[in-house]
Amino acid sequence: DGGITQSPKYLFRKEGQNVTLSCEQNLNHDAMYWYRQDPGQGLRLIYYSQIVNDFQKGDIAEGYSVSREKKESFPLTVTSAQKNPTAFYLCASSFSGVEPYGYTFGSGTRLTVV
Amino acid sequence: QKEVEQNSGPLSVPEGAIASLNCTYSDRGSQSFFWYRQYSGKSPELIMFIYSNGDKEDGRFTAQLNKASQYVSLLIRDSQPSDSATYLCAVTSHGSSNTGKLIFGQGTTLQVKP
Repeated sequence: DGGITQSPKYLFRKEGQNVTLSCEQNLNHDAMYWYRQDPGQGLRLIYYSQIVNDFQKGDIAEGYSVSREKKESFPLTVTSAQKNPTAFYLCASSFSGVEPYGYTFGSGTRLTVV
Repeated sequence: QKEVEQNSGPLSVPEGAIASLNCTYSDRGSQSFFWYRQYSGKSPELIMFIYSNGDKEDGRFTAQLNKASQYVSLLIRDSQPSDSATYLCAVTSHGSSNTGKLIFGQGTTLQVKP
């Protein structure tokens, strides 16, 4: 079955630590996205990538980094520079082009600072 | 001014009634419009998309688009308690990069009371 997989489901970070969230898709989608969702709020775009080895900052990129070395994978690193990282992180993918077909979302990673 | 606006709710309807969810957007260049359903603690799932003015029906769901008024809505007929969720409106963004990436509203929480 095709889909998009995020891991881990829950992640705990200590102060000053970098952590990496995994996102893998086997849908042959070109574009991949990372969003952050805080309680009672909408989705805020962190980074997105439309092609391998290229990515763009979204609205809240500070304190985060990404890579896109393979079409299937788009890992997100939450660095120690991100002062308030506790949130629900969602990865999504889609075909890109003139008529986008909507995003497919992973099941999310809930990150908590301890 | 927010690019995609939704009333956060909660919108409360009795079981069996019609639920009407509304969304306005600011980018006149937007071409594609999506409705996602998000249950508490879960990731969003795509339930409807619409590209052309008018109505599009899928089972109990009807999406309505009026590009002149920059307005898109979702009607849910015969509402069930299982429809209780947050509904996110998403609109394509055709800014300077012409990426077609989605801009999300903050979502409307729907409560269907038995």
